[in-house]
Amino acid sequence: GESVGLHLPTLSVQEGDNSIINCAYSNSASDYFIWYKQESGKGPQFIIDIRSNMDKRQGQRVTVLLNKTVKHLSLQIAATQPGDSAVYFCAETLNSGYSTLTFGKGTMLLVSP
Amino acid sequence: ETGVTQTPRHLVMGMTNKKSLKCEQHLGHNAMYWYKQSAKKPLELMFVYNFKEQTENNSVPSRFSPECPNSSHLFLHLHTLQPEDSALYLCASSYGGGEGGYTFGSGTRLTVV
Repeated sequence: GESVGLHLPTLSVQEGDNSIINCAYSNSASDYFIWYKQESGKGPQFIIDIRSNMDKRQGQRVTVLLNKTVKHLSLQIAATQPGDSAVYFCAETLNSGYSTLTFGKGTMLLVSP
Repeated sequence: ETGVTQTPRHLVMGMTNKKSLKCEQHLGHNAMYWYKQSAKKPLELMFVYNFKEQTENNSVPSRFSPECPNSSHLFLHLHTLQPEDSALYLCASSYGGGEGGYTFGSGTRLTVV
């Protein structure tokens, strides 16, 4: 079936750097996307979402970019902090979120002091 | 706390044992989900319940048996498991689809010996 995938399994950055985590999705019909953060010993936590009628959405220190032409999603984290170290997943769904989410494999973000 | 509570946090069981995982949500959501998270794999959807009714069974072996007595509680009954069933089992809830994404519990780390 259709799947969501991530380009980089591990991303290592220095504290204070900006981080960019990428995601490729293959279902062109997906219309709602979510980024999750999973810290060690915890379940995934919602970070930010975006609908397909938008190409950019900003939150606190995070920005999600959506490029429907190439089916690409990215999560930008500004001024990365050690507390941002975690696994980040993108997820996609259809019907504005009324279908079940499909998750990517995840990218480990490691932030060094 | 996310509002979704899973117990136990850790479980070790033999292949001939019978055990149950419990999930409880205090968010007023009407949909609940079981996911399996194995190393280096995407989150695998197992079961979906909407208003206590099972709406999706993702070809899960019969040794996993879900139960949803009401919209706030979800169980996963386990029997005659295999070592390859060792994984993190995550419960999630949502408003019947995806707006805002799912809220996950912290998971049960299951080890089958």
